[in-house]
Amino acid sequence: EVQLVESGGGLVQPGGSLRLSCAATGFTFSSYGMNWVRQAPGKGLEWVSYITGSSTNIYYADSVKGRSTISRDNAKNSFYLQMNSLRAEDTAVYYCARTNTGWYNDYWGRGTLVTVSS
Amino acid sequence: ERVMTQSPATLSVYPGERATLSCRASQSVNSNLAWYQQKPGQAPSLLIYDASIRATGIPARFSGSGSGTEFTLIISSLQSEDFAVYYCQQYNNWPRTFGQGTKVEIK
Repeated sequence: EVQLVESGGGLVQPGGSLRLSCAATGFTFSSYGMNWVRQAPGKGLEWVSYITGSSTNIYYADSVKGRSTISRDNAKNSFYLQMNSLRAEDTAVYYCARTNTGWYNDYWGRGTLVTVSS
Repeated sequence: ERVMTQSPATLSVYPGERATLSCRASQSVNSNLAWYQQKPGQAPSLLIYDASIRATGIPARFSGSGSGTEFTLIISSLQSEDFAVYYCQQYNNWPRTFGQGTKVEIK
């Protein structure tokens, strides 16, 4: 059974940093691209970042580009989102999602809440 | 960036009735479109991919159609568990983009 479990969320002050993690089980992790998708309170879904299985290709949304770094450790079946210079508008539930070989997101974690506030 | 626009924002439907949700792309996304369902307090879950293929375990009352810029999700006979928010997402281009969602509520 595919499972994705996020961690690392919490309360952080504006300008601060946070590292989110997503632990994957139930599939050959290195064979799949992975995403971060966020959802601000009461709002819709926003794609944040994507990394291929071999980390060869990485993409970011403009809203986080230059402030965030996605990475993965296939030996640990985990991937990460390092977020710096956090702003109030980064407050959201952050979901990790697996990208199927067909490029759609087929499995999602339950999310971790990031709150940026003083 | 492909802007995805969903309509209506809210759809009020009686149980057992048919619901029709629309998603429009600002430029062609071919058939590279997925629909997700999200219930309160839960993560999104995949319903439809490649515009018209039901994901594993999704009931036949859910059907997707369209290509290019116009897409439709039809729920043929709404069940109580179908009242939720539905999002479309294109995966034809970067950045990946979602529609703003359609909330299907009980009338």
